[in-house]
Amino acid sequence: AQSVTQLGSHVSVSEGALVLLRCNYSSSVPPYLFWYVQYPNQGLQLLLKYTSAATLVKGINGFEAEFKKSETSFHLTKPSAHMSDAAEYFCAVRDTGGFKTIFGAGTRLFVKA
Amino acid sequence: DVKVTQSSRYLVKRTGEKVFLECVQDMDHENMFWYRQDPGLGLRLIYFSYDVKMKEKGDIPEGYSVSREKKERFSLILESASTNQTSMYLCASSSERGTLYEQYFGPGTRLTVT
Repeated sequence: AQSVTQLGSHVSVSEGALVLLRCNYSSSVPPYLFWYVQYPNQGLQLLLKYTSAATLVKGINGFEAEFKKSETSFHLTKPSAHMSDAAEYFCAVRDTGGFKTIFGAGTRLFVKA
Repeated sequence: DVKVTQSSRYLVKRTGEKVFLECVQDMDHENMFWYRQDPGLGLRLIYFSYDVKMKEKGDIPEGYSVSREKKERFSLILESASTNQTSMYLCASSSERGTLYEQYFGPGTRLTVT
């Protein structure tokens, strides 16, 4: 079965610092990978997705992620954190066997002034 | 823009009550999903539906049922609510057309069972 592992349930950075949220997946075939963001008291919204067109994927709000097949990783980065980036971030992989999406446990990002 | 709406943002029910959570999407998506979200556990799939009147169990279907009588509407039913069903419930929809696959989420319903 497919799985997604997010390293670190909480990450804290200073405003202006690099944001790095880690995600590793298990998949025997080229996957569809996603990052979602959830702001307080809201549903999830898509940040970016990888669909094999390019290994470096740019998303909304200055975030990007790089697909590395050799490392089975899809880490999310942003060069300079902003206070408004404080949220929970979920990495996800489309299940190759059907319609489902497998979500990681989430990483809560804190941004310090 | 895709819009997924859920009938309530906050709900308080008593143990043993029958609870209905409604979800409506306006983008003609084939697939609809119900998740529950608990701290430290991420999103867990309860049920999903890939067509009208079709349903499939997810990872944690016990204590829940679903109904999809129309393409745009997917209902989650707690037959007899229990305190361990206190949680955030998220509805989502997606399409198999093209290579989209991303899910669009509603704002969530925070259910408290007392």
